[in-house]
Amino acid sequence: QVQLVESGGGVVQPGRSLRLSCAASGFTFRNYVMHWVRQAPGKGLEWVAVISSDGKNKYHADSVKGRFTISRDNSKSMLFVQMNSLRAEDTAVYYCAKDFGDSGSWYFDYWGQGTLVTVSS
Amino acid sequence: QSALTQPPSASGSPGQSVTISCTGTSSDVGRYNYVSWYQQHPGKAPKLMIYGVTKRPSGVPDRFSGSKSGNTASLTVSGLQAEDEADYYCTSYAGSNNPHVLFGGGTKLTVL
Repeated sequence: QVQLVESGGGVVQPGRSLRLSCAASGFTFRNYVMHWVRQAPGKGLEWVAVISSDGKNKYHADSVKGRFTISRDNSKSMLFVQMNSLRAEDTAVYYCAKDFGDSGSWYFDYWGQGTLVTVSS
Repeated sequence: QSALTQPPSASGSPGQSVTISCTGTSSDVGRYNYVSWYQQHPGKAPKLMIYGVTKRPSGVPDRFSGSKSGNTASLTVSGLQAEDEADYYCTSYAGSNNPHVLFGGGTKLTVL
């Protein structure tokens, strides 16, 4: 069965950096587009970034562009997001999500349990 | 990248039908048939309920249906059941030069 397990969350001061990881299993990771989606406490969902199956194409939401970078290691079935210059408004549960299709469908059929990032001094 | 517009709340009695709207623009919902809907129970990860405007993933009851007209997509839940009480979010693909996904603000569905 498909499993996505995020890690790396925690409390970090404004302006600092954090790297989140997502360990994937139960499917051929290298064949699928992957996404990060976040949810601020008590708020709605927000798409953060997407990466192609081969890692060559990456797109980020305007709200994180220039500060966050999505990446992947297909040899280890791992997805990452490097978050720099963190702000209070980045406080959220961060989910990694598998794309529904193998060529990128922009739908998310499997989600991890999420990891909480709190940006606070 | 503005969020799609959903009503904050909706409600219905068991057995009734309820429809949740999702309004975007001609650059997202109105332009692409890449609309999806997610159900999220408290403390849980979202679950894909509808994709491609009208399609249901395997395992999703046919009580859930989707549609679109112009810049507005809709999710209809028929034969409401207690377990349908949850938050529902719509999404739409938006942008070819700057690919991204927009989420709606979410609708809290209450089964009375």
